[in-house]
Amino acid sequence: EPEVTQTPSHQVTQMGQEVILRCVPISNHLYFYWYRQILGQKVEFLVSFYNNEISEKSEIFDDQFSVERPDGSNFTLKIRSTKLEDSAMYFCASRRNLILAGVFDEQFFGPGTRLTVL
Amino acid sequence: AQKITQTQPGMFVQEKEAVTLDCTYDTSDQSYGLFWYKQPSSGEMIFLIYQGSYDEQNATEGRYSLNFQKARKSANLVISASQLGDSAMYFCAMREDNAGNNRKLIWGLGTSLAVNP
Repeated sequence: EPEVTQTPSHQVTQMGQEVILRCVPISNHLYFYWYRQILGQKVEFLVSFYNNEISEKSEIFDDQFSVERPDGSNFTLKIRSTKLEDSAMYFCASRRNLILAGVFDEQFFGPGTRLTVL
Repeated sequence: AQKITQTQPGMFVQEKEAVTLDCTYDTSDQSYGLFWYKQPSSGEMIFLIYQGSYDEQNATEGRYSLNFQKARKSANLVISASQLGDSAMYFCAMREDNAGNNRKLIWGLGTSLAVNP
């Protein structure tokens, strides 16, 4: 069964450093997402990406964040200068993009990358 | 305004008994989808069950069923015959179909379920 993969599973970094979180979505999926979950809190939407551009971003997704699909298979989230409050689990998700309203169109989630900023 | 409300921060259930996890939602859209995910201590997010706003029957997936009451805007998850492996965080999430094609998920705070032997 196809699945979304994410690397690394755990990343530890120093405050101020740049990190790149990598995701490989399911191959025939067209819509990609990043979500964040700070420990013990709810999952928050960061950004969605479609047709090689951001389709929506939340207010959390400020200038420190960027996303890219560099080679048609990987989908990356870059944090330019990490802060302590960026410590969280980051989930990548993808969906096929069935645009009929009310039709089941599940987002498949990767296993997450746990980012720890020291 | 909070769009997904899960009022039970923690729940306990005896093994083999059924348990209901509450979820209420708020939307003005006519078309939307409701999801339940399980998050074990290892952290991954596991899809459990989906209910579309136009679905007339309650969704079922094995031991999971969704008690969908549209007029009350509730989508409670029922787990029958609880197993020790059901101990986890459970999240209710909503997708609003009319907010463009983005279909991002909006999440509740989650309910921590502990199954006692």
